[in-house]
Amino acid sequence: GESVGLHLPTLSVQEGDNSIINCAYSNSASDYFIWYKQESGKGPQFIIDIRSNMDKRQGQRVTVLLNKTVKHLSLQIAATQPGDSAVYFCAEKWKGTYKYIFGTGTRLKVLA
Amino acid sequence: DVKVTQSSRYLVKRTGEKVFLECVQDMDHENMFWYRQDPGLGLRLIYFSYDVKMKEKGDIPEGYSVSREKKERFSLILESASTNQTSMYLCASSPSSDTQYFGPGTRLTVL
Repeated sequence: GESVGLHLPTLSVQEGDNSIINCAYSNSASDYFIWYKQESGKGPQFIIDIRSNMDKRQGQRVTVLLNKTVKHLSLQIAATQPGDSAVYFCAEKWKGTYKYIFGTGTRLKVLA
Repeated sequence: DVKVTQSSRYLVKRTGEKVFLECVQDMDHENMFWYRQDPGLGLRLIYFSYDVKMKEKGDIPEGYSVSREKKERFSLILESASTNQTSMYLCASSPSSDTQYFGPGTRLTVL
């Protein structure tokens, strides 16, 4: 069926450690993927994206990895900071459509 | 920076009232979207518009309608609000086939 899911609903990490948030997607025809960060009471904020012709993309302190073989997406945050505490969710876009499917999110808690 | 604004952050309405949620974007994007976000369900698409006066139903259009008279503005209308429409409503815009940028959201409570 159509779904974008997350393996862990809550992730707690020590400040300064690296964080890895995972996402599974179900539509092999999806060609564009996005990670969003959502702080409490706010709208989702774009973090990083990747197209299906790539395996890896790096931003500032964030890296997205795409494994099309197993339909898996991950977000890596380096040197996690207290300001990174939020809900993170992934989205996949179906090729040739306007349709996005969003995951339910993982809550990242950064421990001081 | 892309800016998507929504008319209200918090809204309280009574059952049966007509509710208007407005969204404005300043980046001349073709596409605009309305979602609702509920705990454990993720974002669900209500309606989207790919051009002025053009609209398409999303996954959960029942009980909602939309209006796009100008490119920068996309309105969501609840003709007769019901308690099961209590939710966080998120508007997004995007250039064609690209990243969606979200507004801050409107938390609607229907009593």
